[in-house]
Amino acid sequence: DAGVTQSPTHLIKTRGQQVTLRCSPKSGHDTVSWYQQALGQGPQFIFQYYEEEERQRGNFPDRFSGHQFPNYSSELNVNALLLGDSALYLCASSLRASEKTQYFGPGTRLLVL
Amino acid sequence: AQSVTQLDSHVSVSEGTPVLLRCNYSSSYSPSLFWYVQHPNKGLQLLLKYTSAATLVKGINGFEAEFKKSETSFHLTKPSAHMSDAAEYFCVVILAYGGSQGNLIFGKGTKLSVKP
Repeated sequence: DAGVTQSPTHLIKTRGQQVTLRCSPKSGHDTVSWYQQALGQGPQFIFQYYEEEERQRGNFPDRFSGHQFPNYSSELNVNALLLGDSALYLCASSLRASEKTQYFGPGTRLLVL
Repeated sequence: AQSVTQLDSHVSVSEGTPVLLRCNYSSSYSPSLFWYVQHPNKGLQLLLKYTSAATLVKGINGFEAEFKKSETSFHLTKPSAHMSDAAEYFCVVILAYGGSQGNLIFGKGTKLSVKP
C-alpha cells in the first residue's frame, strides 16, 4: 500500500519564475492538504482540497494556487516566486468521512535564488 | 483560537534515560491532538493521536502521551531513549469547524538529541 508520494524531491528556481509541485495521496484517501515548512519552523497550512475544490485556505497570498484531479492527486502552483518561498513543501492526505488523521509525504524542497 | 505551545526548543538526553517533551494547548472546545516526528531531511511521521477517547495514548516506537484537561497539557514521554529517537518532534492541534476535515496547527517543534 503506497503512502503519500510527492514530486519532485528537490527543485531550484529563480525569482519571478513559476513552479508546480505534485502529490499523490495515500490509497483510499480523498482529501489533500498542503503545508509550507520554512527552515527551522513548524509547517504552516496553505490550503486543502476535497472533491476537486479548495475547501480551506491558510494565510497565503493568491500566488499560491492548487488543483485536485478526479483521481484525488493534487498540484500546488506558486507564481512570481520570491526568495522567501524557499521551503519544504509537504503534502498530507486524509479520508474526509473518517478520522481526521493526516498522513504526510516526504516533501519537495524548493530553493529560490 | 486553537494553538499549541511546545515549552522546550531543544531537549538532550542520554541513551537509555527517559524522554519528556512538553506541550500545552489552547482550545475553546475538546481538541484533537497529535504528535508527529520528523527525522532530518524527511517528511512527518505520526507518532500518536488523542481524539477524546482514552486520555493515555500509546503510539509507535514506545512513545506515549497523556491528555490532561485540567493542565491543558499533552506531554510526550518514552521510558528509555534510543539513538534513533533523535529528531524534531511537533505537537499539533487540529482546527476543524463546520464539519470540515480541518487543518493542522503545529507547534514550533522540539529538537531531541540523544547522547551515547
